[in-house]
Amino acid sequence: DAGVIQSPRHEVTEMGQEVTLRCKPISGHNSLFWYRQTMMRGLELLIYFNNNVPIDDSGMPEDRFSAKMPNASFSTLKIQPSEPRDSAVYFCASSPQGAGNTIYFGEGSWLTVV
Amino acid sequence: AQSVTQLDSQVPVFEEAPVELRCNYSSSVSVYLFWYVQYPNQGLQLLLKYLSGSTLVKGINGFEAEFNKSQTSFHLRKPSVHISDTAEYFCAVSEGGGFKTIFGAGTRLFVKA
Repeated sequence: DAGVIQSPRHEVTEMGQEVTLRCKPISGHNSLFWYRQTMMRGLELLIYFNNNVPIDDSGMPEDRFSAKMPNASFSTLKIQPSEPRDSAVYFCASSPQGAGNTIYFGEGSWLTVV
Repeated sequence: AQSVTQLDSQVPVFEEAPVELRCNYSSSVSVYLFWYVQYPNQGLQLLLKYLSGSTLVKGINGFEAEFNKSQTSFHLRKPSVHISDTAEYFCAVSEGGGFKTIFGAGTRLFVKA
């Protein structure tokens, strides 16, 4: 079975540009998570969805960030406008529904905003 | 609210030596506990998890962890490490009935020859 698929793997963009990160979760998984990882702040949960519905977006840093999950097999994380402090690795992850289930991570999208 | 504290940000150790990575958590309800490993330039993957039952949990690559409810700890151990164990290790907790999994800040294990 394919794992969580993220695109792009690497992106370099200029400050002010819109960035869209994409994720395809593992088929059959009900929960989807977006995390951000930086040296300074470690691994932060930005938002998670259950059955395509956003459950908790309290980790989204500000209004420039938005996430959607239009169907069970696709999610996007958008940053508009992007800023240099948004540079980080963004991970998408999915899991079967339930607190004790393993979370499966994608390989990450490495974003650099210059 | 649940939280996770990893007491060491970096742990250097020589090859074939034992290692313990420490993790403490706080929660007001029953919890599930996890250790994940992140190799360079990769996403996190599960090492082991505690859901219930035996407090000693064995995982992949020779790692094990012990759940200690009275000390609210879930320390990760390996009796003899290899160079290939060099990675970052994350402790995580989720509360029974909840959706959210909270990760610790990570411990970078560096195995030296």
